[in-house]
Amino acid sequence: EPEVTQTPSHQVTQMGQEVILRCVPISNHLYFYWYRQILGQKVEFLVSFYNNEISEKSEIFDDQFSVERPDGSNFTLKIRSTKLEDSAMYFCASSPDRAHEQFFGPGTRLTVL
Amino acid sequence: GESVGLHLPTLSVQEGDSAVIKCTYSDSASNYFPWYKQELGKGPQLIIDIRSNVGEKKDQRIAVTLNKTAKHFSLHITETQPEDSAVYFCAAIDSGNTPLVFGKGTRLSVIA
Repeated sequence: EPEVTQTPSHQVTQMGQEVILRCVPISNHLYFYWYRQILGQKVEFLVSFYNNEISEKSEIFDDQFSVERPDGSNFTLKIRSTKLEDSAMYFCASSPDRAHEQFFGPGTRLTVL
Repeated sequence: GESVGLHLPTLSVQEGDSAVIKCTYSDSASNYFPWYKQELGKGPQLIIDIRSNVGEKKDQRIAVTLNKTAKHFSLHITETQPEDSAVYFCAAIDSGNTPLVFGKGTRLSVIA
């Protein structure tokens, strides 16, 4: 069964450094998402991406965040200058059509020291 | 915007008993309600969902019911097993908006 994959599973970085989190969505899906989950809290929406552009973003997704689909299979989340409060699990999700049945990857645990 | 609330942060049941987790939502325009199961160290996995034109949906031991008047929907797990132990998240969305709005999650513990 096709699934969303994410790399790395765990990323440790120093405050102020740039990180890139990678995702490979399910191949025939058209909508892509990033969510984050701070330890013990609920899953929060960051950004959605369709037709090679951002379709929606939350207030969390400020100028330090960016997304890209560089090669038709990967979907990346870049954090330019990480802060301590960026430490969280970051989940990529994809969906075959608008809004429904989002399938989540296993997540990347980002630790900012 | 949508706000999703979960009534119980934790729920413990004996193996074989039923578990019910209830979730409320605020936006009457919401029309899609998924339930996700999250095991330790893993991403949320969709286990069942319901659309607003249906009142109940069942898949083996799992069912979801929707009460649009009261704006709540519930996850029902029958004949619980230890492997059902996980955190369960409800979410809601309306067709005019793509991001899922998640509730806080209920940690279900099934005691053998």
